[in-house]
Amino acid sequence: GAVVSQHPSRVICKSGTSVKIECRSLDFQATTMFWYRQFPKKSLMLMATSNEGSKATYEQGVEKDKFLINHASLTLSTLTVTSAHPEDSSFYICSARDQAGVNEKLFFGSGTQLSVL
Amino acid sequence: AQKITQTQPGMFVQEKEAVTLDCTYDTSDQSYGLFWYKQPSSGEMIFLIYQGSYDEQNATEGRYSLNFQKARKSANLVISASQLGDSAMYFCAMREALSGSARQLTFGSGTQLTVLP
Repeated sequence: GAVVSQHPSRVICKSGTSVKIECRSLDFQATTMFWYRQFPKKSLMLMATSNEGSKATYEQGVEKDKFLINHASLTLSTLTVTSAHPEDSSFYICSARDQAGVNEKLFFGSGTQLSVL
Repeated sequence: AQKITQTQPGMFVQEKEAVTLDCTYDTSDQSYGLFWYKQPSSGEMIFLIYQGSYDEQNATEGRYSLNFQKARKSANLVISASQLGDSAMYFCAMREALSGSARQLTFGSGTQLTVLP
């Protein structure tokens, strides 16, 4: 089946630094990728939809300048948490749709646990 | 209003027994898709099963089956012959009708399943 690779799996950083998270579709092309945030024991909340070659679409309440999304190719989307603060600590997970698939199911990356000190 | 409701925050089941995880949804669309994902403690999201709103048969995938009751707007997941490895968080999700190119999923709050030896 389709595989989505997400790196890093865990990152610890100091407050004020920026962190980049990569999401790659390994064996399919994904014109659209999604970025989710998940708090402990909670559901996934969609942050933004990443579109290849165009600007990302952010959900209400998500700061565009804080969470920069770049989708430069059909297989790679990146999320950069800029000037991270402790409240940004969370589990971030990306997903991509295999548009060639029958039911267009989403495949998820393995997630990134971000801890901001 | 919640689009996806999972009323069981936690469930316990004895190994080898069957278990049903509840999911109800709310949509005015005629065309939609329902998904179940499993999230073990490692954080990755694993696709389990898909049901289209127009599918006449209940979806089945190995030990997983989806009890789709369209009139009641419910899409319960049935896991037969539970195994210890089934212990995880389970999310129900819905994809609604076409709206542009990005058809993201809306997730329920999840059910933590624990399989007892």
